[in-house]
Amino acid sequence: DGGITQSPKYLFRKEGQNVTLSCEQNLNHDAMYWYRQDPGQGLRLIYYSQIVNDFQKGDIAEGYSVSREKKESFPLTVTSAQKNPTAFYLCASSIGTGQNTEAFFGQGTRLTVV
Amino acid sequence: GEDVEQSLFLSVREGDSSVINCTYTDSSSTYLYWYKQEPGAGLQLLTYIFSNMDMKQDQRLTVLLNKKDKHLSLRIADTQTGDSAIYFCAESIMQAGTALIFGKGTTLSVSS
Repeated sequence: DGGITQSPKYLFRKEGQNVTLSCEQNLNHDAMYWYRQDPGQGLRLIYYSQIVNDFQKGDIAEGYSVSREKKESFPLTVTSAQKNPTAFYLCASSIGTGQNTEAFFGQGTRLTVV
Repeated sequence: GEDVEQSLFLSVREGDSSVINCTYTDSSSTYLYWYKQEPGAGLQLLTYIFSNMDMKQDQRLTVLLNKKDKHLSLRIADTQTGDSAIYFCAESIMQAGTALIFGKGTTLSVSS
């Protein structure tokens, strides 16, 4: 079945450690996105990529890094520089640029810093 | 800058209509979206509307757009307990491809 998969569903990290969240899609979508969701904050854009080997910062990129070496994969690394990393992280993909392309979301990864 | 505002909570009785409101600021947005999020899950697209439309109906869902006031609403007819979720309004921002800018979400609670 086609879709977008995030793993793991739950992740625990010790303070000071980097951690990488996985996002894979088999929808042949060009564009991929990472959002962070906090209670009462809605979704905020961290990074996005419109094509392989290219990505752009979103509104809250500080303390995060991404790579886009393959079309199917857009991993997000939460670095130790991120001051408040505990949150629900959502990955999405869409066909590409253009005005109306539906964004498909993964089921999310809940990261807790302990 | 872009900003999308929504009220945070709405409580209705089963069988009533629900109306969730949203305001946005980017007049260049040409598509506006409504997404639904159930607890602990990702987001699911419910419906969208093109900016040259005033209204779009899809079964129990009606979207109204007032482009002059930058106001968007989602009406759910005959609301059911299964409609309880968080509903997000979103606009697409051209500068970021199709990256969506979301409101904070409206938590809809349906009581039987």
